Amino acid sequence: GQNIDQPTEMTATEGAIVQINCTYQTSGFNGLFWYQQHAGEAPTFLSYNVLDGLEEKGRFSSFLSRSKGYSYLLLKELQMKDSASYLCAAMDSNYQLIWGAGTKLIIKP
Amino acid sequence: SQTIHQWPATLVQPVGSPLSLECTVEGTSNPNLYWYRQAAGRGLQLLFYSVGIGQISSEVPQNLSASRPQDRQFILSSKKLLLSDSGFYLCAWKGLRETDTQYFGPGTRLTVL
Repeated sequence: GQNIDQPTEMTATEGAIVQINCTYQTSGFNGLFWYQQHAGEAPTFLSYNVLDGLEEKGRFSSFLSRSKGYSYLLLKELQMKDSASYLCAAMDSNYQLIWGAGTKLIIKP
Repeated sequence: SQTIHQWPATLVQPVGSPLSLECTVEGTSNPNLYWYRQAAGRGLQLLFYSVGIGQISSEVPQNLSASRPQDRQFILSSKKLLLSDSGFYLCAWKGLRETDTQYFGPGTRLTVL
């Protein structure tokens, strides 16, 4: 079957760095997406990785290892506004997204 | 630039009543369109997707249906709502390339009482 695993909740301190992990098992693989979702709002796109390695985009970076079925989202210099859920989604062989349940990130001052 | 609209933003409906949620996209042609449902504290469940007018694929058997009467319009309907239909309904669009990113509308929060 197809499955995405990510931690349910994480807590971090303002100004610190946090890494949110995601492991996936899909029928075929066409890339890994990360979205941010603030409470009560729609998800917004953060990153897409299809090749192994690290992609940096400002304070946010995303890493992919296809051989390990593993990705992480790295958030640096955390700000209070980064408090949100972070959704991991893998694209399968039919180009459909398989979604994780999301990681709720709590930022403390 | 592309914009996606959904309405209404919130809806409270009694069990057994009908439902119609509408989604429209501006600034793009021939988008792939998606309806998702998100239960409280859960991930996204794909309900329907469409690659063109009149073409609907259903992912989950349920009492919901979808239609795409125009290129940039996607409608989610039900004849009789169940309590379990409560949730956050999200419409998304994607461009023509298979690996394009999905972009979401603002969502409709539905409560069935």
